[in-house]
Amino acid sequence: QVQLVQSGADVKKPGASVKLSCKASGYSFTSYYLHWVRQAPGQGLEWIGIINPNYGTTNYAQEFEGRVTMTRDTSTGTVDMELSSLRSEDTAVYYCIREFHGGHFDYWGQGTLVTVSS
Amino acid sequence: QTVVTQEPSVTVSPGGTVTLTCASSTGAVTSDYLPNWFQQKPGQAPRALIYTTSNRHSWTPARFSGSLLGGKAALTLSGVQPEDEAEYYCLLSQGGAWVFGGGTRLTVL
Repeated sequence: QVQLVQSGADVKKPGASVKLSCKASGYSFTSYYLHWVRQAPGQGLEWIGIINPNYGTTNYAQEFEGRVTMTRDTSTGTVDMELSSLRSEDTAVYYCIREFHGGHFDYWGQGTLVTVSS
Repeated sequence: QTVVTQEPSVTVSPGGTVTLTCASSTGAVTSDYLPNWFQQKPGQAPRALIYTTSNRHSWTPARFSGSLLGGKAALTLSGVQPEDEAEYYCLLSQGGAWVFGGGTRLTVL
């Protein structure tokens, strides 16, 4: 069965970086895009960016350009997202989501809570 | 910066029908925006309901349907059940990027 399993919760200080992972299984890793989104406490969903695991190409939301890097490892079926220069407003649950080409979103990871606090 | 707008909150009676909408600040929503709908209950990850305007996933109950209505993407729930009480989010494609709506809190009362 399709699974997206994310790394565990993390606590970071302002100015630090965090690296989250999303391990895919149960399907052909390179056949689906993976997106990252986040949800601040009590708030809505915010799209961060997308990676094509086949080529490693990425596209990021303008608000995160320069601060986010998404990479993939096809040998392990894992996508990582690194967010730098963390501030308190980056405190959120981060999710990875699978998309079949053309806007067919389906499976979500379980989410990873990142807390940014001094 | 594109803004996607949903009703902040809607209330419906059990067994009733309700339509939630999703509008884009860039203009009328068409199928090219590849609308997706998600349901989120408290403490849970969101769950996909509808993709590319009107397609249900295998796990999506038949009472959920998606469409385009008056220049917006729409999610209609027919025969609402108590367990449908949740937050609903739409997602639109915006030229290589994607934008979520602010969400609609659906109360079943």
